[in-house]
Amino acid sequence: KAGVTQTPRYLIKTRGQQVTLSCSPISGHRSVSWYQQTPGQGLQFLFEYFSETQRNKGNFPGRFSGRQFSNSRSEMNVSTLELGDSALYLCASSLDLGTEQYFGPGTRLTVT
Amino acid sequence: AQSVTQPDIHITVSEGASLELRCNYSYGATPYLFWYVQSPGQGLQLLLKYFSGDTLVQGIKGFEAEFKRSQSSFNLRKPSVHWSDAAEYFCAVGAKYGGSQGNLIFGKGTKLSVKP
Repeated sequence: KAGVTQTPRYLIKTRGQQVTLSCSPISGHRSVSWYQQTPGQGLQFLFEYFSETQRNKGNFPGRFSGRQFSNSRSEMNVSTLELGDSALYLCASSLDLGTEQYFGPGTRLTVT
Repeated sequence: AQSVTQPDIHITVSEGASLELRCNYSYGATPYLFWYVQSPGQGLQLLLKYFSGDTLVQGIKGFEAEFKRSQSSFNLRKPSVHWSDAAEYFCAVGAKYGGSQGNLIFGKGTKLSVKP
């Protein structure tokens, strides 16, 4: 069974631009979560989706948003990029809410 | 507040030696605990999980972890380390298994170096 896939793997953007990251969960998994990983803050939870609904949200500004489609694929969007948004963005999928999460390889976003 | 502490930022062990990585958590309810491993430039791979039952859990790659409620700990162990185990290890805690929220709270990680 294929794992979690994330596209693109690498991205370079300029301050003020916006970006969309994509995540395809493991087949049959209905829940998708997003995390941001930086050297300073470590791994921080962004949001969680289940059945196309955001079920949980971390402590991030409104510039960070996401959605989930009927096939469980998810996208996250960051608007008005700041230098501090440079990070590895990890997507994780799970069969249901509250079950073990399996992570994708991440998207490395660099903001210049 | 919910939190996970991994006291050791960096550990170096010799190949073939035993390993123990420490993890302490603070969580109001019965925790759902995990260990993940991350190689450079990669995502996180699930090593093992605990949500109930036997407090000693076995995982992949020869790792095991023991849940000790009285000490709020979930330490990861391996009897004999291989050079390929060099990576960063993360302990995480989640809400109860099957609950309405699945977000994980991670420790800051422990980087493992292996000497030949």
